[in-house]
Amino acid sequence: DTGVSQDPRHKITKRGQNVTFRCDPISEHNRLYWYRQTLGQGPEFLTYFQNEAQLEKSRLLSDRFSAERPKGSFSTLEIQRTEQGDSAMYLCASSQQMGAETQYFGPGTRLLVL
Amino acid sequence: AQSVTQLGSHVSVSEGALVLLRCNYSSSVPPYLFWYVQYPNQGLQLLLKYTTGATLVKGINGFEAEFKKSETSFHLTKPSAHMSDAAEYFCAVSENNNDMRFGAGTRLTVKP
Repeated sequence: DTGVSQDPRHKITKRGQNVTFRCDPISEHNRLYWYRQTLGQGPEFLTYFQNEAQLEKSRLLSDRFSAERPKGSFSTLEIQRTEQGDSAMYLCASSQQMGAETQYFGPGTRLLVL
Repeated sequence: AQSVTQLGSHVSVSEGALVLLRCNYSSSVPPYLFWYVQYPNQGLQLLLKYTTGATLVKGINGFEAEFKKSETSFHLTKPSAHMSDAAEYFCAVSENNNDMRFGAGTRLTVKP
């Protein structure tokens, strides 16, 4: 396994459309995280999963956003009725559960909402 | 809640010069502290992390950072900059290893 992968790498959509992103974590990692990064800023935490359970959600995650990890492996992040303010890089990371385990990041999905 | 402040959004050094990137944190409990590097159009790569124990932490590519509790700081240093060090650097803090709070980042430019 070479690391965390994300698909697609780039997405351009029109305002009001729905988009879905996929993240495949490192295979033995049971924690999976989603972050959003806007230009000139650091990543902002959105949500995280331990196995299939979504354990924490940021207030940034409005009701238009939903994340799933149905089998405790890959995860999807869906944004409904996209807005121009949703334009950002969406980063996924994974880690093992114990202690201060390092989060390994994927390359991100860059979303542009026109 | 934990937070991070990175002093200086842009730092420019000459090749071979000392690199110093500043990070101050706020945390209500003993923190975990991290430095990540991000190259253009890529994800974040861990440089080093502090959890417990030795306060001077050595990382990859010759970087190191020192945890100073009294100053609530975790500054990143490298004795001699290389052109390949040019990138965006992020300091991050975690109180519970569930979610990390990142600083706004410092863009490092290395001049030949």
